[in-house]
Amino acid sequence: DAMVIQNPRYQVTQFGKPVTLSCSQTLNHNVMYWYQQKSSQAPKLLFHYYDKDFNNEADTPDNFQSRRPNTSFCFLDIRSPGLGDAAMYLCATSNMRGLAGGLLADTQYFGPGTRLTVL
Amino acid sequence: GESVGLHLPTLSVQEGDNSIINCAYSNSASDYFIWYKQESGKGPQFIIDIRSNMDKRQGQRVTVLLNKTVKHLSLQIAATQPGDSAVYFCAENSGGSNYKLTFGKGTLLTVNP
Repeated sequence: DAMVIQNPRYQVTQFGKPVTLSCSQTLNHNVMYWYQQKSSQAPKLLFHYYDKDFNNEADTPDNFQSRRPNTSFCFLDIRSPGLGDAAMYLCATSNMRGLAGGLLADTQYFGPGTRLTVL
Repeated sequence: GESVGLHLPTLSVQEGDNSIINCAYSNSASDYFIWYKQESGKGPQFIIDIRSNMDKRQGQRVTVLLNKTVKHLSLQIAATQPGDSAVYFCAENSGGSNYKLTFGKGTLLTVNP
């Protein structure tokens, strides 16, 4: 089945130790997103890729970086995790469809998330 | 706008009853809306969507209603089941953005057997 896969599902890291979270998709969607979600809160968009074009949210800390080596994979790198970065990290994909008059927003499909713990 | 609260609105219903979850969206220019269901420890799961050229859309046991005049969105779940217990988020495409979604605060639905 076509899907969004995140690895690992649970990640424990130490304060200040770099960590990389992985997302892959079999949907062949052209847009991939990374969200941070803290307990009892809505997902917060960190950045997204439209094909190879990277789009950072204005309030995303420099500590968070991303790579998209190909259509299927996208990585979230946290260079120096702090205690406040402990959260669920969600990857999502969507397919921007070109129609007469422009692009059409479409559904975002989420992966199961990676729960990050910072010790 | 973005959710910032630590306390989710809650809705408790009896199994078999109909549930209505409401959402006030923020931007009158938004033209695409989605409802997601999120179970504990899992990613948000797509339920149903609606574009602004419609005011009602039905799926299996779910109906979404859109009132653009008052910027209000609702999700109706028929014959609610224990498996429907989850947090429900509405999302809007951020003022007509092709890429971004703005999520509502979320509502915790608890279904009592």
